[in-house]
Amino acid sequence: DTEVTQTPKHLVMGMTNKKSLKCEQHMGHRAMYWYKQKAKKPPELMFVYSYEKLSINESVPSRFSPECPNSSLLNLHLHALQPEDSALYLCASSQPTGKGNEQYFGPGTRLTVT
Amino acid sequence: GQQLNQSPQSMFIQEGEDVSMNCTSSSIFNTWLWYKQEPGEGPVLLIALYKAGELTSNGRLTAQFGITRKDSFLNISASIPSDVGIYFCAGRTSPISSNTGKLIFGQGTTLQVKP
Repeated sequence: DTEVTQTPKHLVMGMTNKKSLKCEQHMGHRAMYWYKQKAKKPPELMFVYSYEKLSINESVPSRFSPECPNSSLLNLHLHALQPEDSALYLCASSQPTGKGNEQYFGPGTRLTVT
Repeated sequence: GQQLNQSPQSMFIQEGEDVSMNCTSSSIFNTWLWYKQEPGEGPVLLIALYKAGELTSNGRLTAQFGITRKDSFLNISASIPSDVGIYFCAGRTSPISSNTGKLIFGQGTTLQVKP
């Protein structure tokens, strides 16, 4: 089973709203990732959690706040976003080391900021 | 910073034709991954490569890890309409034993197949 699930599938929010994106995997992976993807562009890494600890923050604005409650769950809390933050937000998971470093992506959340 | 040059940027081919795309870099990579992304979906891992010279197949797809470790190619044989999508290469420069490496993505190859 190589499934990563993400909810919601679509999200429309105003610039003053607070919302959260959720990601879940049951593959026993200990590394989880958030990516942002604009249309027809490759995914851009935002955050990496390894063994439930934040290991990489790619200088992401503080209006994006990640959280890893346990080894299976990853959240991305959103607050005071800008229209340019509209994008597909992808979650991925992998084993932190070894050949399991292959990353498996979820279907994404399509975010629109109005 | 590290970059992956992926080519071609787009391809429009006839069903049944073979397809070839590649990624090159000035840096040495220890891992090469190939993904396919369809509209509205996340990237799906097609093939993973870990050794220089490694040639791996997945159905009609074949990928190779270049001998110099600075390139990789993906071939699709006898294309069909469902091969349509964006294909991304991704590489990792850090050792597979490291837990701090990031994936570097190519810009993608958009494939369109005419029935």
